[in-house]
Amino acid sequence: NAGVTQTPKFQVLKTGQSMTLQCAQDMNHEYMSWYRQDPGMGLRLIHYSVGAGITDQGEVPNGYNVSRSTTEDFPLRLLSAAPSQTSVYFCASSYSSDRAGEQYFGPGTRLTVT
Amino acid sequence: QKEVEQDPGPLSVPEGAIVSLNCTYSNSAFQYFMWYRQYSRKGPELLMYTYSSGNKEDGRFTAQVDKSSKYISLFIRDSQPSDSATYLCAMIDNNDMRFGAGTRLTVKP
Repeated sequence: NAGVTQTPKFQVLKTGQSMTLQCAQDMNHEYMSWYRQDPGMGLRLIHYSVGAGITDQGEVPNGYNVSRSTTEDFPLRLLSAAPSQTSVYFCASSYSSDRAGEQYFGPGTRLTVT
Repeated sequence: QKEVEQDPGPLSVPEGAIVSLNCTYSNSAFQYFMWYRQYSRKGPELLMYTYSSGNKEDGRFTAQVDKSSKYISLFIRDSQPSDSATYLCAMIDNNDMRFGAGTRLTVKP
């Protein structure tokens, strides 16, 4: 099993550009989530999904979109990048929403918006 | 006030010391409590997962939850240099997960 994979590892965007961060898992997990990690702020939940076709907002959803068309994939879209979105982004998955606390994290994507 | 408060440290201890890491929280609806370990430039990995008040032990690690005081702790016995990492507390209420800011721990040989 590859676990949770994320691409790209690094990305630099200009203000106003859009992009999609990719996340995939091969563990047949129902629950998937996206976080951003900023110094002194810890991890903050952006969006999550309890299964294919179902998504919901987390603590900091503004400026981001998600969709979940398959169990395996959970892409995160930045609609119009802003410098405030410079961060490290982590995707995570767990077996089900009942066990949402037992999450497996990907290696992260380091995003810089200039 | 943040929902989850965690002292960011840094904390430096000699090898073999007992380490105590703590978090407080304000939302009494949190049901499950976790500790994650994060090495530099890596994703977090789950260390401990607890539900009820009380202690849970796994090897050198003990997680403690006191729901009445809204306080959780992680104890590391016989700390090793390989324990040097950032430790994040986390808690969850109906799929909505909240993390502490993380405590950076260094164990010196």
